[in-house]
Amino acid sequence: AQTVTQSQPEMSVQEAETVTLSCTYDTSESNYYLFWYKQPPSRQMILVIRQEAYKQQNATENRFSVNFQKAAKSFSLKISDSQLGDTAMYFCAFIRSNAGGTSYGKLTFGQGTILTVHP
Amino acid sequence: DSGVTQTPKHLITATGQRVTLRCSPRSGDLSVYWYQQSLDQGLQFLIQYYNGEERAKGNILERFSAQQFPDLHSELNLSSLELGDSALYFCASSVLRGGQETQYFGPGTRLLVL
Repeated sequence: AQTVTQSQPEMSVQEAETVTLSCTYDTSESNYYLFWYKQPPSRQMILVIRQEAYKQQNATENRFSVNFQKAAKSFSLKISDSQLGDTAMYFCAFIRSNAGGTSYGKLTFGQGTILTVHP
Repeated sequence: DSGVTQTPKHLITATGQRVTLRCSPRSGDLSVYWYQQSLDQGLQFLIQYYNGEERAKGNILERFSAQQFPDLHSELNLSSLELGDSALYFCASSVLRGGQETQYFGPGTRLLVL
């Protein structure tokens, strides 16, 4: 079974600054994907970024980037130039895949980190 | 907008009652997942259907059941409701493309059991 841990229940950052959210996971699987989802006050779950475990290069999506440390089983999210609209709960999630890279099955989520961006 | 629709958006009912939550996946998506988000349990996987067949089961209570119809929409049935069933229920749909599967979430159904 997989577990995902987010050790920061709450974080805050000033607008335009950079913030990093932490996530660690535990799995015996060799092949998997990791995700960050954002849940704003509307409660909609929005995919932020995805990382394939077999890729050494860290994923980036505009102002969002990850620091993926496979050996340490760590997957942090960096948000640069924070904006008020980034205020949300952020969930780290894990999904296994097969050796061919095809992911399948359920997402396992961490407990979430509430991020507040202050003007 | 993810393209996944869920109805109703809000549901208020009493203990002991039965409700049905509905999900329409994105066009072309064959897989439907159901998740429950509650304050004490966080986000938990309930069940997955793929093209009408049950594919995987998570922490789903025996009082809960689901199905996926030929048109690929899915329904989650919750019966003998208890106060603790109050939660946000998400449906997600996915398609396998280029060896990668991404789950896209609907807006959720907020269930309140009084």
